[in-house]
Amino acid sequence: DIQMTQSPSSLATSVGDRVTITCRTNQSIADFLNWYQQKLGRAPNLLIYAASTLQSGVPSRFSGSGSGTDFTLTITGLQPEDFATYFCQQSYTTPYTFGQGTRLEIK
Amino acid sequence: QVQLQESGPGLVKPSDTLSLTCGVSGYSIRNSNFWAWIRQPPGKGLEWIGFIYYSGDIYYNPSLKSRVTLSVDTSKNQFSLKLTSVTAVDTAMYYCARVGTSGSYRYIDSWGQGTLVTVSS
Repeated sequence: DIQMTQSPSSLATSVGDRVTITCRTNQSIADFLNWYQQKLGRAPNLLIYAASTLQSGVPSRFSGSGSGTDFTLTITGLQPEDFATYFCQQSYTTPYTFGQGTRLEIK
Repeated sequence: QVQLQESGPGLVKPSDTLSLTCGVSGYSIRNSNFWAWIRQPPGKGLEWIGFIYYSGDIYYNPSLKSRVTLSVDTSKNQFSLKLTSVTAVDTAMYYCARVGTSGSYRYIDSWGQGTLVTVSS
């Protein structure tokens, strides 16, 4: 299985900040990388697919980049509703696997 | 707009079979999508259980393959999960979901609200 490692595991941050979350894989997955946001008690929600394509309806403050084994999710101008947990997921090969999550907390 | 809704028992005894159904509304299950089950133990990360196409093509996560069966009922526009010989480690929130595609890219673009299944005697 492809191993996904996210960093940091948690981050205390403030409204208006620029936040970067990293996802690293143990083998190349080209750009078959998705990002999800999960709010407490809710199902995840797709933010970005194919490493950098913004899902319809997702605010433009979210962006993704990377290819191969290193990927980033950036939130520019953090909003109160963005405090949540973020997961990366690879769809390069089965079994599809997820990162362990990055929790954004209010500083 | 597609909506997915899980249904099934919230409590299952150890060694029994967990059975869940996902009803799909607002969208035909016969459309060109895979349909997936994903689970999340309390306070932990997400695990892909498997996915199925309406025609019967199925993928199972090898870690669960010996215990999992997915099926589709096109007449009811729903799909189902069976997990046998459950133990406490199978306690989790179970989500059904639609797999979206763009070219060769796959991602989960719609999720059910999830149903918590607890394995306990």
